[in-house]
Amino acid sequence: DARVTQTPRHKVTEMGQEVTMRCQPILGHNTVFWYRQTMMQGLELLAYFRNRAPLDDSGMPKDRFSAEMPDATLATLKIQPSEPRDSAVYFCASGLVRGPRGQPQHFGDGTRLSIL
Amino acid sequence: AQKVTQAQTEISVVEKEDVTLDCVYETRDTTYYLFWYKQPPSGELVFLIRRNSFDEQNEISGRYSWNFQKSTSSFNFTITASQVVDSAVYFCALEEETSGSRLTFGEGTQLTVNP
Repeated sequence: DARVTQTPRHKVTEMGQEVTMRCQPILGHNTVFWYRQTMMQGLELLAYFRNRAPLDDSGMPKDRFSAEMPDATLATLKIQPSEPRDSAVYFCASGLVRGPRGQPQHFGDGTRLSIL
Repeated sequence: AQKVTQAQTEISVVEKEDVTLDCVYETRDTTYYLFWYKQPPSGELVFLIRRNSFDEQNEISGRYSWNFQKSTSSFNFTITASQVVDSAVYFCALEEETSGSRLTFGEGTQLTVNP
């Protein structure tokens, strides 16, 4: 079964450090999403790309977060500088959006981030 | 604006009981898509089902069934003869045709199936 792969699975670091999370979408999928899950806010969409172009990053704090897709097999989410309130599980999802909408998104296992 | 409400925060049942998870949505779009995802204790999110707004047929897959009713804006999920392995958080989600593939998730329902 094809899967979305996220690395690292867990990350603990100190406040102020740069954090980079990586995602390998399912081969052939043209849309990649970044979500954040916290107890307080639930699942929030941070940003997403189609055919590697950013479509929406309105859910992301612009001053410290950045998302990129250097190529079709890699998406990155960076936080610099990190803060304790960034502690959460970050999910990457991918999907094939072509023609009709409503195609399911397939999620990776997430990166559990703790900022001390 | 779109919204998904899962009013049941937690449900606890005993194995073999049937359980229904409620999902109510709000949207102004006439075309939209509804999803259920499962998040087991291991943390990953697993896609279960998709329904589009034009298809109100109920669906059954093994012990799982889904009841979509546009008249009440509901998309409920029933597990028949629940098992311990069904213990997870279940999320209902909505994608509007005009949303550009964005999913709006409900708050999730924590289901615990006790032996």
